[in-house]
Amino acid sequence: DADVTQTPRNRITKTGKRIMLECSQTKGHDRMYWYRQDPGLGLRLIYYSFDVKDINKGEISDGYSVSRQAQAKFSLSLESAIPNQTALYFCATSDPPTSPSTDTQYFGPGTRLTVL
Amino acid sequence: KQEVTQIPAALSVPEGENLVLNCSFTDSAIYNLQWFRQDPGKGLTSLLLIQSSQREQTSGRLNASLDKSSGRSTLYIAASQPGDSATYLCAVTFYGGSQGNLIFGKGTKLSVKP
Repeated sequence: DADVTQTPRNRITKTGKRIMLECSQTKGHDRMYWYRQDPGLGLRLIYYSFDVKDINKGEISDGYSVSRQAQAKFSLSLESAIPNQTALYFCATSDPPTSPSTDTQYFGPGTRLTVL
Repeated sequence: KQEVTQIPAALSVPEGENLVLNCSFTDSAIYNLQWFRQDPGKGLTSLLLIQSSQREQTSGRLNASLDKSSGRSTLYIAASQPGDSATYLCAVTFYGGSQGNLIFGKGTKLSVKP
């Protein structure tokens, strides 16, 4: 089984709808992240969480919210989806680094979201 | 602004060729630099991680170098194979940035022709 799973894998929705993307991990990591990837723009950080009680905004948090329900679960919500939120969304996890050599992230397979 | 740039955006080579992918970054105060591979439908996989104190890392046919003074990293792939076809992403963790915040380049899409 994959260590980081995302559901759904693909979603098509309409403008104004509320959407939730879910991420679960079995790696036992404390830190979780949400990114979006757009053609020509690379991956950009939306929100990150260093533990269940910690939520931080990333570079592009406007229009999104998150919930850290448990150590293993981190959900991303679009309260009222708009077409420019059409993108590939990735969840990632990591442990607090003990050195620069251990500071890496593990990514889920992604959710392709289309907002019409 | 801390930025990561990758050139070229796309590269097509015949099987067996050695190739180099380039990454440049705007701030020499880096914590580490990573090269990821992205396959469609499978997310990102970390290939190599270079600490700021290191000059290079090797894994099999892959060798990544780091030159902080010039703000550059290269990923060298020896004897390329069709299975190497993927998008390769360079990502940097900078000192002074948000903790755990990876800054990604836009990637190089590699196609290795049989």
